[in-house]
Amino acid sequence: AQSVTQPDIHITVSEGASLELRCNYSYGATPYLFWYVQSPGQGLQLLLKYFSGDTLVQGIKGFEAEFKRSQSSFNLRKPSVHWSDAAEYFCAVGELLSGTYKYIFGTGTRLKVLA
Amino acid sequence: EAQVTQNPRYLITVTGKKLTVTCSQNMNHEYMSWYRQDPGLGLRQIYYSMNVEVTDKGDVPEGYKVSRKEKRNFPLILESPSPNQTSLYFCASSLIGSGTDEQFFGPGTRLTVL
Repeated sequence: AQSVTQPDIHITVSEGASLELRCNYSYGATPYLFWYVQSPGQGLQLLLKYFSGDTLVQGIKGFEAEFKRSQSSFNLRKPSVHWSDAAEYFCAVGELLSGTYKYIFGTGTRLKVLA
Repeated sequence: EAQVTQNPRYLITVTGKKLTVTCSQNMNHEYMSWYRQDPGLGLRQIYYSMNVEVTDKGDVPEGYKVSRKEKRNFPLILESPSPNQTSLYFCASSLIGSGTDEQFFGPGTRLTVL
């Protein structure tokens, strides 16, 4: 089975600092990759996705992610974090399995932002 | 407003008492899915449905049932809940489940089984 790894369970950054959240996947073909954000008490919201083309993808709320096939990574970045970015972030991959697509999620990274 | 709704949002029940969590979407999406979220485990897929009357097991289907009689609704049924099903449940939908689609998530249902 394919897998998605988010090695950092918790990350704390100061407001205004840069942010990078790591995501690694195992998948044979070109994967469909997603980053979702879950604010406290809320469902998940899509930040950005990649499935082909330019490997640097821009998303909402000032986030971007870069697909690096050689490293099997899809790290999420933001140049300057705002207090409202405190949330849990999930990386996910869309997988074709027996003719249908499944979505596999990482275990999440909880971001804390210091004022 | 395009949305996925779930009811109830919170539920406390006892072992063995059958329950249903409803999920409805108003976006005419073909693909719908149920996940459970547990600390340290992320989201795990329980069941999914590619279209009406087409459902299939996800990674953790034991103890759950689903049905898809109408395109907009995808209820999750726990015939005999057990404490290990205490979790946060999310319903999601996407246009056609092609793998490139964004999934839209409901607000979640927090279930406690005593």
